[in-house]
Amino acid sequence: GAVVSQHPSRVICKSGTSVKIECRSLDFQATTMFWYRQFPKKSLMLMATSNEGSKATYEQGVEKDKFLINHASLTLSTLTVTSAHPEDSSFYICSAKMNLNTEAFFGQGTRLTVV
Amino acid sequence: EDKVVQSPLSLVVHEGDTVTLNCSYEVTNFRSLLWYKQEKKAPTFLFMLTSSGIEKKSGRLSSILDKKELFSILNITATQTGDSAVYLCAVEDQGAQKLVFGQGTRLTINP
Repeated sequence: GAVVSQHPSRVICKSGTSVKIECRSLDFQATTMFWYRQFPKKSLMLMATSNEGSKATYEQGVEKDKFLINHASLTLSTLTVTSAHPEDSSFYICSAKMNLNTEAFFGQGTRLTVV
Repeated sequence: EDKVVQSPLSLVVHEGDTVTLNCSYEVTNFRSLLWYKQEKKAPTFLFMLTSSGIEKKSGRLSSILDKKELFSILNITATQTGDSAVYLCAVEDQGAQKLVFGQGTRLTINP
């Protein structure tokens, strides 16, 4: 199957700093990538849809100024958590699709801890 | 609002048992239903279902979709301890392609 690489897998940062998470499709081009957040023992919640060359589409309740998404190329989307606070600590996962008719492939996820 | 409900939320069985996991959904513009297995990290893909009544099979796992009843099941036969995981069901919206996930079923297989 297709490979989606997410980096870093784990990050610890101080409150007030910003953290960037990268999501790359390694062997295919993805015009659309998705960013999810997962709390412990909970399911994945879609945060935003990242579109190459245009602004991301955020789900209701997700602060776009807090979670900056950039999809600069067909193989890379980044999520920046700005001015992180302890409540932003979570597991963030990206996914990408090769085309309309295929399944979504997930990155390995990034566990963010804000101290 | 699109919605996916899985049951049971938690299931503990003995190795060798057969389990059935359930997924019901409500979605405005259905494209597909997907099953994923999540262990410690990101979900890994199991099945993608788009048509009613056609069983998809992979080893001891199988799944089927009923688009009339808005329902899918995931069967695992002869369970092994390595099947212990959270099983996630998601539906994909026709236009937006985004996935809406259910709460997941936490399956524990005891030796």
